[in-house]
Amino acid sequence: GENVEQHPSTLSVQEGDSAVIKCTYSDSASNYFPWYKQELGKRPQLIIDIRSNVGEKKDQRIAVTLNKTAKHFSLHITETQPEDSAVYFCAASIGGSGYSTLTFGKGTMLLVSP
Amino acid sequence: DAGVIQSPRHEVTEMGQEVTLRCKPISGHDYLFWYRQTMMRGLELLIYFNNNVPIDDSGMPEDRFSAKMPNASFSTLKIQPSEPRDSAVYFCASSAGPVTEAFFGQGTRLTVV
Repeated sequence: GENVEQHPSTLSVQEGDSAVIKCTYSDSASNYFPWYKQELGKRPQLIIDIRSNVGEKKDQRIAVTLNKTAKHFSLHITETQPEDSAVYFCAASIGGSGYSTLTFGKGTMLLVSP
Repeated sequence: DAGVIQSPRHEVTEMGQEVTLRCKPISGHDYLFWYRQTMMRGLELLIYFNNNVPIDDSGMPEDRFSAKMPNASFSTLKIQPSEPRDSAVYFCASSAGPVTEAFFGQGTRLTVV
């Protein structure tokens, strides 16, 4: 099955700095790569996603890049704020008609200090 | 829509007892996923359904775990008998398609003593 590795496991930055989280996946058939944010005691919520036919996607301070050849994708957060502090999960999915294998990385705890 | 609804929010049970977790997906969503979250193992996919049919249950840890989806608006995850190592947060999620956003419920925090 699909295996998703995520690094680093923890990341501490100062407010205003950039943060980068990296993930690799094992199955070249994966075609959907979402990122979820989970605040303490809350449910995971989607913040951005990218499909395999796109190399980069940006939404305000958040961007995701995908390198299909190397089978890795990254989340970039610019101008970090204390409210960005949370656990971030990457995921990879092989999706098609009738099937969808959404496999998560183990998460990165991001701490943004004021 | 109220989103994915799970019940109960918290469950404390004694080892050996049967536990049933419940989930109501978002109306119109064809995919339903059950995940288990622990500090050590992160978010593990246990099983998922498409149009009420179980597609992949390879993540179910052992025969003590079973899941059903009798109709499009209800699913259950049952553990019988429960063990302390089953203690975790169990999430249900649903999505409209195979490569679209999965919406998570608020989770059930299970503690087996």
